[in-house]
Amino acid sequence: NAGVTQTPKFRVLKTGQSMTLLCAQDMNHEYMYWYRQDPGMGLRLIHYSVGEGTTAKGEVPDGYNVSRLKKQNFLLGLESAAPSQTSVYFCASSPAGDRVTGELFFGEGSRLTVL
Amino acid sequence: GQNIDQPTEMTATEGAIVQINCTYQTSGFNGLFWYQQHAGEAPTFLSYNVLDGLEEKGRFSSFLSRSKGYSYLLLKELQMKDSASYLCAELDSNYQLIWGAGTKLIIKP
Repeated sequence: NAGVTQTPKFRVLKTGQSMTLLCAQDMNHEYMYWYRQDPGMGLRLIHYSVGEGTTAKGEVPDGYNVSRLKKQNFLLGLESAAPSQTSVYFCASSPAGDRVTGELFFGEGSRLTVL
Repeated sequence: GQNIDQPTEMTATEGAIVQINCTYQTSGFNGLFWYQQHAGEAPTFLSYNVLDGLEEKGRFSSFLSRSKGYSYLLLKELQMKDSASYLCAELDSNYQLIWGAGTKLIIKP
């Protein structure tokens, strides 16, 4: 079972470059999330989606954009990368019926370095 | 804002028992979660508590006291593979997860 797949796994960018992280899930989950994880801090929610065609801002949305054109895919874009966006990015999904239980299924993470 | 507090690091011995504590703000509470995260890997779900008391699942148990804003994760018969970070997360009034920074558990032989 693939579960939640993120690409790329690693990427190095120069300041000002743009890139897109792709998240794909094959579990037919309604809800999808993008988090960033930095040393000494909890996971912080960037953006999330409660269904195809919908997106919403999380705790730290500035500098990022997202799209959910298809139910199985959730894209995270950085239009002009900054060193402060150096982080490990995790995509996660959850089924709508279990939303109140909060159990998330995570991808393996994408390590992004901005020089 | 919401605050989740848990120790940064703990050390325990293989075969022993360890308790990892977590405190959270009690307003708008909808559940308390524990996740395990091995180094370089994704978090994986361990437990969910919404009512007071102890939930046991094999070697792992999770306890919740809503009135005290307190939870703990109890790991018994520790194994070397239990070396990981343990993340506490509160489901808030908007059904969003608020995460603690995690407790790095080091198991020594």
